[in-house]
Amino acid sequence: GAVVSQHPSWVICKSGTSVKIECRSLDFQATTMFWYRQFPKQSLMLMATSNEGSKATYEQGVEKDKFLINHASLTLSTLTVTSAHPEDSSFYICSAREQGRLTNTEAFFGQGTRLTVV
Amino acid sequence: AQTVTQSQPEMSVQEAETVTLSCTYDTSENNYYLFWYKQPPSRQMILVIRQEAYKQQNATENRFSVNFQKAAKSFSLKISDSQLGDTAMYFCAFMKGPYSGAGSYQLTFGKGTKLSVIP
Repeated sequence: GAVVSQHPSWVICKSGTSVKIECRSLDFQATTMFWYRQFPKQSLMLMATSNEGSKATYEQGVEKDKFLINHASLTLSTLTVTSAHPEDSSFYICSAREQGRLTNTEAFFGQGTRLTVV
Repeated sequence: AQTVTQSQPEMSVQEAETVTLSCTYDTSENNYYLFWYKQPPSRQMILVIRQEAYKQQNATENRFSVNFQKAAKSFSLKISDSQLGDTAMYFCAFMKGPYSGAGSYQLTFGKGTKLSVIP
């Protein structure tokens, strides 16, 4: 199956700094990538949908100036948590959908990034 | 907006036995897909099984099968011959299909059911 690689797997940063998380589709081109946030023992909450070459669409309640999403190529999307605070500590997961296959409904997930802000 | 409800926060099953996880959903869409995902301790999301809403036949993947009741908006997962490796969080998810406008392909997840397989 298709592989999505997310990097880093875990990161610790100081409060006030910014952190970038990368999501790469390794063997397919991804028209659309999705970013989720998962709190401990909770479900995945969609943060935003990013389409290659256009601005991301953020879900209600997600601060787009805080969570910057860039989808500059068909294989890479990045999520930057700006001016991170301890409440931003969470597990972030990306998923990608293959380009050009409208009937392909499978989303391929990265392995996730655990962010801890101290 | 769609909602997905998993009413069983935790379940356990003896190895080799059968267990059923419940899921109900609410939507006004006609074209949609339903999924069960498994999230083991590694946190990697793994697709277990998928059901197209327009198909009446229940999906089956080896030991995993679903009972899809469209009118009741119910989508339960049956795991037969449970194995220790089945221990994980299981999420039921809903997706609007292609050509459904805004929100197509977005997954809406239930809160999950933690399944423990006991040796």
